Amino acid sequence: RKEVEQDPGPFNVPEGATVAFNCTYSNSASQSFFWYRQDCRKEPKLLMSVYSSGNEDGRFTAQLNRASQYISLLIRDSKLSDSATYLCVVNKLPSGGSYIPTFGRGTSLIVHP
Amino acid sequence: NAGVTQTPKFRVLKTGQSMTLLCAQDMNHEYMYWYRQDPGMGLRLIHYSVGEGTTAKGEVPDGYNVSRLKKQNFLLGLESAAPSQTSVYFCASSPTGTGQAEAFFGQGTRLTVV
Repeated sequence: RKEVEQDPGPFNVPEGATVAFNCTYSNSASQSFFWYRQDCRKEPKLLMSVYSSGNEDGRFTAQLNRASQYISLLIRDSKLSDSATYLCVVNKLPSGGSYIPTFGRGTSLIVHP
Repeated sequence: NAGVTQTPKFRVLKTGQSMTLLCAQDMNHEYMYWYRQDPGMGLRLIHYSVGEGTTAKGEVPDGYNVSRLKKQNFLLGLESAAPSQTSVYFCASSPTGTGQAEAFFGQGTRLTVV
């Protein structure tokens, strides 16, 4: 089982829709959580960190449920420019004592007119 | 701001050839990583470094070697390339390993082994 699991999609939604992505992680020692965005044939870039209390950045809302080892990303009022792959990232602590980013496979979002 | 720079951007190798991918960062970051990305597999960690002169194995280290002789550079070597190493390779760096640190990525190297 992969340490960070995501539904690969694609999620195909019209402009203006609300869409939610989920991610589960298996390592309970994981300490910090992020959503990255990756455009086609480009490098991943940080979208937002995910905090235990939940956090919002404009149209984007991230939630963390440590008890269920579950992370979510909600996008409201989808734009064409939101079309991308969204990567769930967990910084876990391996035996060496350093936090290492571990990536899910990504969820593909396609927003159409 | 250059950030993280990877060289080369594209390369085609024949099976059995060797090559070195160079990653350079100008942000004075301690941590550096090499990932490979294959369709449907996401990013998988090959090797990483927590500081100058240190390296460690990641999830898929076989067939690769790395060196971090200078803090700003992290080299990934393929001694004898195989078609299974056809992939997109991303280098990344982060300031620390304290958990909340964001990883900054290079633009990637597209490698094809024929």
